[in-house]
Parts: sequence; structure tokens; C-alpha cells
Amino acid sequence: GDSVTQMEGPVTLSEEAFLTINCTYTATGYPSLFWYVQYPGEGLQLLLKATKADDKGSNKGFEATYRKETTSFHLEKGSVQVSDSAVYFCALRDNAGNMLTFGGGTRLMVKP
Amino acid sequence: EAQVTQNPRYLITVTGKKLTVTCSQNMNHEYMSWYRQDPGLGLRQIYYSMNVEVTDKGDVPEGYKVSRKEKRNFPLILESPSPNQTSLYFCASSNGGGRGETQYFGPGTRLLVL
Repeated sequence: GDSVTQMEGPVTLSEEAFLTINCTYTATGYPSLFWYVQYPGEGLQLLLKATKADDKGSNKGFEATYRKETTSFHLEKGSVQVSDSAVYFCALRDNAGNMLTFGGGTRLMVKP
Repeated sequence: EAQVTQNPRYLITVTGKKLTVTCSQNMNHEYMSWYRQDPGLGLRQIYYSMNVEVTDKGDVPEGYKVSRKEKRNFPLILESPSPNQTSLYFCASSNGGGRGETQYFGPGTRLLVL
């Protein structure tokens, strides 16, 4: 079946540091790829998405590029803020759109 | 305000006592789904529904039931809860089941089964 693997956390960075959270996937066909963010005590919110190879999703300074050749969708941000502290989930939605498969989540802590 | 609501938000119960967690969305979405979140495992899909009266199993359906009699509601039923169902549960909805559709999540229900 489909699977998503993302780097284990926690990731601890100082404010204004560069962020990369790695995500790789295994899927048949052509899934769509998503990054969701979960702030403390809240549900998940969509951060960005990409629906086909070489698409770049971006939002709030975060970016991720759908790389079919390496089956990856790494999340990056050039300068993190304390307010970015949260848990980040990489996910894929299968070809038929029925199932959403999540990675294990990566906790990011940004210190002032 | 467009939203997905879940009730209750917190629940403590005992093994074997039937419970229902409600989920409702006001966005006229066709697709609804339930997930459980456990440390280190991310979110795992329990059941999903493509439309009224259409439901299907996700990755971890054992011990759960669902129904979709109305478009806006998708309750999760635990007929005989067990301690291994202690978890954080999320309901989500999307505008159809297309591969590119964004899912909107509820605030979560934290369940403790003693």
C-alpha cells in the first residue's frame, strides 16, 4: 500500500534559521502531495499542496516541490519564526482520491 | 463560518460502554473521513464516505462503525471500546474525493478508555 516517511523530530532551530523537513513517499500511480500543520491543541490545517510532478506548492514562506524521480516532497522555509513551532505532517492522496496517507509527523520548535 | 465540528472534545469512558463521537460540516462537502492520531504513527484513516449512504474502510477500521445518513453528519461509533482505542480522533471533509482536494479537519476528540 501507499506510505509516507518523514524525518523524525523534534527539530529545534533558532529564529531566522533555514528549515528543511524531509518527506518521501511510496505510491502507485500519480498521487497528490500535501503538507499539513498542527498547532498545539488544534486540528490539522493545510499548509500547501502539489498535484503533479514538478509542481511547487507554497504558502506563508514555506515551499515544497513534487519530485517524482526521487519520490520526495521536502518542506523548506528560508527563515523560521517562533510562531512556526508546530507539528508538520506530509501526506499523499491516492490516484482515486479515496485515501489520505500521512507520515508520522515532525515536531518543529523554534527558539527566540 | 465554514467549519467541521466534533463532539465531545474530551471523553473518558470504560471498556465495553458504547459511545458515539459526532461530526458535522457546514460546507456541503461530499467526502468525509475519520482518523486517529497516535504518537509516532501520524494519522491513520479509520473510515471514509464518498457520499450519503456510501462508506468504506480505511487502514484501521477494526472496532469502529460509521454511518452517513445525511450529507453533513458522519458519526463514529465504538460499540465496545477497548483501551487500545485510546487516541486522538479527527473528522475531516472535502469537496468531493478528487486526488487534489484539500481536507478540512475538525478540532479533534481526545478519548481515554479505562
